[in-house]
Amino acid sequence: DSGVTQTPKHLITATGQRVTLRCSPRSGDLSVYWYQQSLDQGLQFLIQYYNGEERAKGNILERFSAQQFPDLHSELNLSSLELGDSALYFCASSVATSVASGRWWSETQYFGPGTRLLVL
Amino acid sequence: AQTVTQSQPEMSVQEAETVTLSCTYDTSESDYYLFWYKQPPSRQMILVIRQEAYKQQNATENRFSVNFQKAAKSFSLKISDSQLGDAAMYFCAYRRSGAGSYQLTFGKGTKLSVIP
Repeated sequence: DSGVTQTPKHLITATGQRVTLRCSPRSGDLSVYWYQQSLDQGLQFLIQYYNGEERAKGNILERFSAQQFPDLHSELNLSSLELGDSALYFCASSVATSVASGRWWSETQYFGPGTRLLVL
Repeated sequence: AQTVTQSQPEMSVQEAETVTLSCTYDTSESDYYLFWYKQPPSRQMILVIRQEAYKQQNATENRFSVNFQKAAKSFSLKISDSQLGDAAMYFCAYRRSGAGSYQLTFGKGTKLSVIP
């Protein structure tokens, strides 16, 4: 168990609909990352949040958006769903800690169990 | 942009034997991190091992070890005394070091089968 939780585990919906995926990072982790795993595209980075702020964007569609809340949980919103959005969506978290000499970043990301989305 | 290549889509190994999974990467950075993640049929992504590029010593974790060749940009994973539970997809991943670019770049994966 990585300590990262994701809900729901499975989601079945129809084209054109909107869904929200939720992620709770490990205790103490400030960074949350979202990845999409599909058969044709493999594992792709979507977006990263650090302590409530967007920090990096990858191959995220305009129909997708995310946010990180004050309690550090994150939500990934997928709208106007298409058949090709069917995939496994992972959330990962890592810690960033301020130290006396500056800020350092943990380089290891721990993954949640994923949300399997099926668009029919 | 960084790329990660796993040239072996599938491999198999006899139980108790040793197997090596290959990974090469392309980067212009001098400082970075490399990872191997395991994805069993449950689909959970499990960290197997990590290597810091500035370290010359190869990382080891119990039966798992890496052969890190920085000049050749090669990062192979050796699994010793293979067990049935090692059967999974294995992904090699790259990440730049330091602030500014945090995402992992993954290879396409190698499916490992363990034969009893």
